Amino acid sequence: NAGVMQNPRHLVRRRGQEARLRCSPMKGHSHVYWYRQLPEEGLKFMVYLQKENIIDESGMPKERFSAEFPKEGPSILRIQQVVRGDSAAYFCASSPLGGSGTGELFFGEGSRLTVL
Amino acid sequence: AQSVTQLGSHVSVSEGALVLLRCNYSSSVPPYLFWYVQYPNQGLQLLLKYTTGATLVKGINGFEAEFKKSETSFHLTKPSAHMSDAAEYFCAVSLIKAAGNKLTFGGGTRVLVKP
Repeated sequence: NAGVMQNPRHLVRRRGQEARLRCSPMKGHSHVYWYRQLPEEGLKFMVYLQKENIIDESGMPKERFSAEFPKEGPSILRIQQVVRGDSAAYFCASSPLGGSGTGELFFGEGSRLTVL
Repeated sequence: AQSVTQLGSHVSVSEGALVLLRCNYSSSVPPYLFWYVQYPNQGLQLLLKYTTGATLVKGINGFEAEFKKSETSFHLTKPSAHMSDAAEYFCAVSLIKAAGNKLTFGGGTRVLVKP
């Protein structure tokens, strides 16, 4: 499968635990975006990364959330000390280009986080 | 900053009837516009996009959309609904920027198709 791969697809955590969500972009893509979809809402931008760089994190909550895209391996979205309000679907998307804004994003199937 | 408004969070259509999903955007510069579809428990799939050129854009599964600058709209239509069109549809906008293809999404419209 050459698409955007996210894992785990489903994750259950208790309040106060940590959640780590992983995303491998499509082959040849070096730009990764994370979006959050709360129940009955649209997708909200969180962060845009290139390899080893955070380009735009204007949608990231100030606390407990972090993201990285190392030189080797998948992009990681990390949520520390989860709360019930973090329950959502987290989508990763990738693109081959950065700079023109004309291309679409290619989305993974999402990671659904449930906080008990 | 740009924004997207989708009128109607839920739309119900009969099989064979016209599907019309409304999208209006706000942008200080000409935007690039997209429609995505999301089937239950899946990711988003691109239906169509407008960047430049012809304002009537045709996409997959028989959908099309027309960019109307004067109305700041990008409504999605399909002449005849099929049961398989039941899904959630998202309109999105991006701008020419130095950094990436960041999309701003509307709140989505869930389509129910009645037999």
